Amino acid sequence: KAGVTQTPRYLIKTRGQQVTLSCSPISGHRSVSWYQQTPGQGLQFLFEYFSETQRNKGNFPGRFSGRQFSNSRSEMNVSTLELGDSALYLCASSLRVRGSDIQYFGAGTRLSVL
Amino acid sequence: KNEVEQSPQNLTAQEGEFITINCSYSVGISALHWLQQHPGGGIVSLFMLSSGKKKHGRLIATINIQEKHSSLHITASHPRDSAVYICALALISSGSARQLTFGSGTQLTVLP
Repeated sequence: KAGVTQTPRYLIKTRGQQVTLSCSPISGHRSVSWYQQTPGQGLQFLFEYFSETQRNKGNFPGRFSGRQFSNSRSEMNVSTLELGDSALYLCASSLRVRGSDIQYFGAGTRLSVL
Repeated sequence: KNEVEQSPQNLTAQEGEFITINCSYSVGISALHWLQQHPGGGIVSLFMLSSGKKKHGRLIATINIQEKHSSLHITASHPRDSAVYICALALISSGSARQLTFGSGTQLTVLP
C-alpha cells in the first residue's frame, strides 16, 4: 500500500505570493491533518479534515486554508506569503481502528519564502 | 507553561547504551504518541499509548496517567537510532484524537 504522498517536496516563493500544497492519504484513510514545523515554534497543528469537512483548526491566521476532496485527497493554501511562513509542512492521514487513531506522516513539503 | 515538556533536549550515547527519553504533560489526554523524525523531515509513528506499556523490538514506551508522565526507552542503542524523538499529545480538550500537540523533541545521537 502506498504511503502518504505530499507534493511538491520543495517550493520557493516570494513574499506576497500564494501557494497550494497537496496531500494524498493512504488508500482507505478518510482523515487528513496538516502540521507546520519551524525551528522556532516546532511542530504545530494547522487543521484536520474528515469526509471533506474541516473538523478542527489550529491557531493560525485566515491566510491558511485547506480543503478535502471526495477521494480524501487534501490541499492547503497559504495566501499573501510572509517570510515567517517558511517551514516544513507535513500532512498525516489516519484510520480509526478499535478506537485508536495512528497517524501516518508524509515526507513533507519544504516551503521557502524569499 | 507548556502543556508538554520533553527531556533531555539533546542526548549523546555510545552504541549499546540504554536510553531513556521523558515526556511530562499537564493536561488531560486521550492518547500519547511517540514519533521519530530523521534528517530530511520524515516522521514515523513509533507508539500510541493510552495506558500501560508497549514494546516493539528494542523500543519500549510506558505511560503513567496518574503522574502525567511517559518514557521512551531504547535498549542496545545503535547509530541508526540517531534521530529526533517527539512526544505528541491528543488532548481531550481538542475533541479530536487526530489534533496533536507536540513536545519540542529530543535530539538523540548514538556514536559507534
